[in-house]
Amino acid sequence: AQTVTQSQPEMSVQEAETVTLSCTYDTSENNYYLFWYKQPPSRQMILVIRQEAYKQQNATENRFSVNFQKAAKSFSLKISDSQLGDTAMYFCAFMKPPGGSGGSNYKLTFGKGTLLTVNP
Amino acid sequence: DVKVTQSSRYLVKRTGEKVFLECVQDMDHENMFWYRQDPGLGLRLIYFSYDVKMKEKGDIPEGYSVSREKKERFSLILESASTNQTSMYLCASTQIGRGYEQYFGPGTRLTVT
Repeated sequence: AQTVTQSQPEMSVQEAETVTLSCTYDTSENNYYLFWYKQPPSRQMILVIRQEAYKQQNATENRFSVNFQKAAKSFSLKISDSQLGDTAMYFCAFMKPPGGSGGSNYKLTFGKGTLLTVNP
Repeated sequence: DVKVTQSSRYLVKRTGEKVFLECVQDMDHENMFWYRQDPGLGLRLIYFSYDVKMKEKGDIPEGYSVSREKKERFSLILESASTNQTSMYLCASTQIGRGYEQYFGPGTRLTVT
């Protein structure tokens, strides 16, 4: 079974600065997908960024980027130029590659989350 | 835009009551999921469904059942609510082959007294 570990329960950063959230995972799969989801206070969970394990290039979405280290099974999220609206719970998630019968391969395994507070 | 809605944002029920949590998505997604979210534990998968009338147990199915009679609707049922089922319940859906992003509903905060 896969496990996802987020070792930082809480973090804080000053507005406009850069912060990195850590995530490690354990799997015997060679191909898989990794995600960072954001859950703002009292609002819906949304996808921030995704990485396919067979792609060596790190994914980037505007101010959000990842540092994907496949051998180390590490998937950290970097937020540049932090904004007050980035305050949220961030979840790292793992998904096995699709294939086979049914929907089993679309399940996400989540870490326990990191609560990020951006201070003015 | 994909929309996932849940029938209630807040719900208070008594121990032993039968509880229904409803989830509806409007994008014809094949897969739907129910999670519970607890502080310090993250999201844990209760059940998921990959087609109408098809379901599979997740990691914590005990005390729950599900129903999917129509593609757009996925219901979570607590047969006899207990206080340890007090939690935030999140529904999500995803379409096969489209980047595998899961779209989440706003959540239902259930309190069992």
